Amino acid sequence: GEDVEQSLFLSVREGDSSVINCTYTDSSSTYLYWYKQEPGAGLQLLTYIFSNMDMKQDQRLTVLLNKKDKHLSLRIADTQTGDSAIYFCACNAGGTSYGKLTFGQGTILTVHP
Amino acid sequence: ETGVTQTPRHLVMGMTNKKSLKCEQHLGHNAMYWYKQSAKKPLELMFVYNFKEQTENNSVPSRFSPECPNSSHLFLHLHTLQPEDSALYLCASSQVVGGSYEQYFGPGTRLTVT
Repeated sequence: GEDVEQSLFLSVREGDSSVINCTYTDSSSTYLYWYKQEPGAGLQLLTYIFSNMDMKQDQRLTVLLNKKDKHLSLRIADTQTGDSAIYFCACNAGGTSYGKLTFGQGTILTVHP
Repeated sequence: ETGVTQTPRHLVMGMTNKKSLKCEQHLGHNAMYWYKQSAKKPLELMFVYNFKEQTENNSVPSRFSPECPNSSHLFLHLHTLQPEDSALYLCASSQVVGGSYEQYFGPGTRLTVT
């Protein structure tokens, strides 16, 4: 089945850029997603990218997709303390009709003042 | 506010109790999901309902019983749970036809089994 891997921790200083990386195994995934989870809350959809795109930018967020290497990244520009959270990468399983997603284990981002 | 609500937000129950978790989505989606999130474990998909029909059960113990009476409501009935069932239970919904399949999550129910 699909496997999605992320590094577990990332620590940055306020104002710096954060880059969270993700690798996946299913080359037939058509959509790839980034979610944010703050303490005690559910997962919040941040952005997603269609598999035929290389890049998507949305305000401070930039998603890069290298389909050949099955590598996805999320860059957060000018990281703020409010960005401290767990970030999950997810992929939809190719060929399914009900949109089942496979999630990575999450990257804990800590932003220091 | 994601358009997916869950009640209760917190629940403490004994191992012999019976309780139910409720999820409601106001997004017009046709698929709903239950996930379990335990500390230091990946998000675990439990059940999938597609147009009110259960399409996936990921080897979930029978002490968890889902119910989907319509496309907007999803329940998780709990009975004779174990302490290791303590976790955050998340509900999500999505469109599964002609869309980008992104799932929208509720805030979760924090369950503690004593």
